[in-house]
Amino acid sequence: EAGVAQSPRYKIIEKRQSVAFWCNPISGHATLYWYQQILGQGPKLLIQFQNNGVVDDSQLPKDRFSAERLKGVDSTLKIQPAKLEDSAVYLCASSFRIELAGGLGGNEQFFGPGTRLTVL
Amino acid sequence: AQSVTQLGSHVSVSEGALVLLRCNYSSSVPPYLFWYVQYPNQGLQLLLKYTSAATLVKGINGFEAEFKKSETSFHLTKPSAHMSDAAEYFCAVSDRDAGNMLTFGGGTRLMVKP
Repeated sequence: EAGVAQSPRYKIIEKRQSVAFWCNPISGHATLYWYQQILGQGPKLLIQFQNNGVVDDSQLPKDRFSAERLKGVDSTLKIQPAKLEDSAVYLCASSFRIELAGGLGGNEQFFGPGTRLTVL
Repeated sequence: AQSVTQLGSHVSVSEGALVLLRCNYSSSVPPYLFWYVQYPNQGLQLLLKYTSAATLVKGINGFEAEFKKSETSFHLTKPSAHMSDAAEYFCAVSDRDAGNMLTFGGGTRLMVKP
């Protein structure tokens, strides 16, 4: 079974430039997550999708970050314009559908290898 | 909001020694609890999870963790460390009404000495 795919693996840009990351989840996984992992810290959830709808984006800096999952499969995360503090690894994860009514969870999230972003 | 504390950002053990990585959570209602491992330049891999069945959970690679409600803890252990266990370990929690959203601890880097 193919895992979560992410590209590119590495990206170096200058501050104020734009950058986009791509994620293709495991086939059949309805829920997709984007995390930001700053060096030396645990991952922080940026946004969660179920199919093509946003479940939670409360921690997404919406003035510069945007994400979409138009067809409910793959997803892109964009930063425009980038700041020095955006240097981090951006992880994508996917899981089976969660039941939003009743809030059942506990589903394993499968992570991709991440994209390491360096902003100079 | 839920929070997770991992005591000790770095833990060093000798090969063959007991591994103990500590995790405490803040919720008064027992959440779902997870341990993930991250090897260099790789994504996170699930070691084990607690979802309300047995309080002692066995995972992959010989790891296990015990859920203790009275201590709000979910410490990870392995009886005998192997060189290949050297990695970063993350404890994570998900509230039972939070739609599967994970909150991660800061991580513990495990070093194994020969």
